[in-house]
Amino acid sequence: GNSVTQMEGPVTLSEEAFLTINCTYTATGYPSLFWYVQYPGEGLQLLLKATKADDKGSNKGFEATYRKETTSFHLEKGSVQVSDSAVYFCALRGTGNQFYFGTGTSLTVIP
Amino acid sequence: DGGITQSPKYLFRKEGQNVTLSCEQNLNHDAMYWYRQDPGQGLRLIYYSQIVNDFQKGDIAEGYSVSREKKESFPLTVTSAQKNPTAFYLCASSMGQGGANYGYTFGSGTRLTVV
Repeated sequence: GNSVTQMEGPVTLSEEAFLTINCTYTATGYPSLFWYVQYPGEGLQLLLKATKADDKGSNKGFEATYRKETTSFHLEKGSVQVSDSAVYFCALRGTGNQFYFGTGTSLTVIP
Repeated sequence: DGGITQSPKYLFRKEGQNVTLSCEQNLNHDAMYWYRQDPGQGLRLIYYSQIVNDFQKGDIAEGYSVSREKKESFPLTVTSAQKNPTAFYLCASSMGQGGANYGYTFGSGTRLTVV
């Protein structure tokens, strides 16, 4: 079956630190992979995606590479800002329409 | 601009009452979904619909009901049978089977509190 395992939080970093949030997946076939971000009291927003192996998704300084050999899609950012404080969800979409979400990782960036 | 609208943003319900949460989209998406999010937790799927007049139960459908009479609308009713309804409810939509490379579009959520 399909599932997503995401790094436990919460994560607290100082401004300008390097961020990695780990995400691994189990899937039948070749899923598309996504990272979503949720700011307090809001819905989820698509941050980036990758649709096939070795694709790199990027947006707003965040990057993630679809690694088929390690079934991973880790989120990285070289220098975080206070405004990046949010909850980050890794997700996959399999051959059907249904998404499978990780449990979310809360990030707090302190000045 | 196209998008997905949830209303109201905050909703209070007395115990024993049914309440309906609205979800409307103008993205021409075929599929729509309802998720529940509890504090510090991930998303749990309540119901989903891939086409008008058809819907399926998700992982936690007990105590909830839905309808899909129009492509644009997918209202969720939280019934009195739902034992612990206080939560943040998220509606989402997506393209159909041909849109596997596309993500969900989410609404901004409805926070339901039982008083």
